[in-house]
Amino acid sequence: NAGVTQTPKFQVLKTGQSMTLQCAQDMNHNSMYWYRQDPGMGLRLIYYSASEGTTDKGEVPNGYNVSRLNKREFSLRLESAAPSQTSVYFCASRAHTSYGYTFGSGTRLTVV
Amino acid sequence: EDKVVQSPLSLVVHEGDTVTLNCSYEVTNFRSLLWYKQEKKAPTFLFMLTSSGIEKKSGRLSSILDKKELFSILNITATQTGDSAIYLCAVEWTGNQFYFGTGTSLTVIP
Repeated sequence: NAGVTQTPKFQVLKTGQSMTLQCAQDMNHNSMYWYRQDPGMGLRLIYYSASEGTTDKGEVPNGYNVSRLNKREFSLRLESAAPSQTSVYFCASRAHTSYGYTFGSGTRLTVV
Repeated sequence: EDKVVQSPLSLVVHEGDTVTLNCSYEVTNFRSLLWYKQEKKAPTFLFMLTSSGIEKKSGRLSSILDKKELFSILNITATQTGDSAIYLCAVEWTGNQFYFGTGTSLTVIP
């Protein structure tokens, strides 16, 4: 039972480079989310997808784009990475509003 | 502005002690409050609370919500070193969005 799988686990980018963080879940959950976690700031929602084919902005969407490729996969793209995007990124999914999230193991991204 | 505040920020206790972690919130359209435990990696789900006064319990952990006073507590009795972690509180304010607190870091010393 894999749950939520994120790749890569670690990444170092130079300022201005682009990359895509991948997330897949095998629990048939409808909703998927991307969070970033910074010291002293807690987890902040970047984007979410309530269902396949829909995406919405969260609290801190600037500098990011997302794609809900199908029910299983939800990717996060940084088009032009900035040092302020250095963070730990978590993907999560949720079956229904009566349940909590299941989180992936995180991607530690450093932008230099 | 909506927010979730956890206290204390950090706590160091000895094995066997009982601890109480606090989470207060100011969120419009409250739907639920969740507690998570985060060790080295991903947060793991502990409890979801939607109704006031009903205690949720799992082993040595328990939690309760007060929707009138806008807070929740997480109790851990007979603490063990394996309880060392960051405990996160999150409040749902729409069908799909949560505000997370910054967490309480608990260290349990043998």
